[in-house]
Amino acid sequence: DAGVIQSPRHEVTEMGQEVTLRCKPISGHDYLFWYRQTMMRGLELLIYFNNNVPIDDSGMPEDRFSAKMPNASFSTLKIQPSEPRDSAVYFCASSLADGEGYTFGSGTRLTVV
Amino acid sequence: RKEVEQDPGPFNVPEGATVAFNCTYSNSASQSFFWYRQDCRKEPKLLMSVYSSGNEDGRFTAQLNRASQYISLLIRDSKLSDSATYLCVVNNDSWGKFQFGAGTQVVVTP
Repeated sequence: DAGVIQSPRHEVTEMGQEVTLRCKPISGHDYLFWYRQTMMRGLELLIYFNNNVPIDDSGMPEDRFSAKMPNASFSTLKIQPSEPRDSAVYFCASSLADGEGYTFGSGTRLTVV
Repeated sequence: RKEVEQDPGPFNVPEGATVAFNCTYSNSASQSFFWYRQDCRKEPKLLMSVYSSGNEDGRFTAQLNRASQYISLLIRDSKLSDSATYLCVVNNDSWGKFQFGAGTQVVVTP
């Protein structure tokens, strides 16, 4: 298996622009997670899905953030409009509920200028 | 109080030495525990699960102390390649809501 695949690896955008991050989970995994990591706040869970259904989005910082999972093999995290404080590494992860933890993607490094 | 707390380090360890560090958690109902490793500018990777009876994987030993609410990681015969940040992860309730600690940095020196 190719693992969790995220794109793009790097994104530099201007404040106010829309940003879309993409994730393909490991085939057969029924949980998908979006995390954000910064030096100041560490890893923060933004939202997670079970069988394509959003279960908990309490970590989504504000209405500018939205996430979708239209099918079992694809999810997006959208920021509109983006702000400099959104600059971070965004990780997607997937798992089975088998007690053996998650697998993370390589992350998207977002810089908003 | 944070749900999962770790000493940020860095722990500077001579090559070949042993290093150990703990992670405390606040929720006594926590059910699953893990150690993840994160290299600089890389994604976190699962190092090992932590079982109630303690478990070992090569040079790595993980232990759980439910009474005092902490887990530990011990690395024996440290290698230069062990230099990384080690993240403590706790699952409290329904599967999915893992709490990550901020990480403990380990630097192994020649």
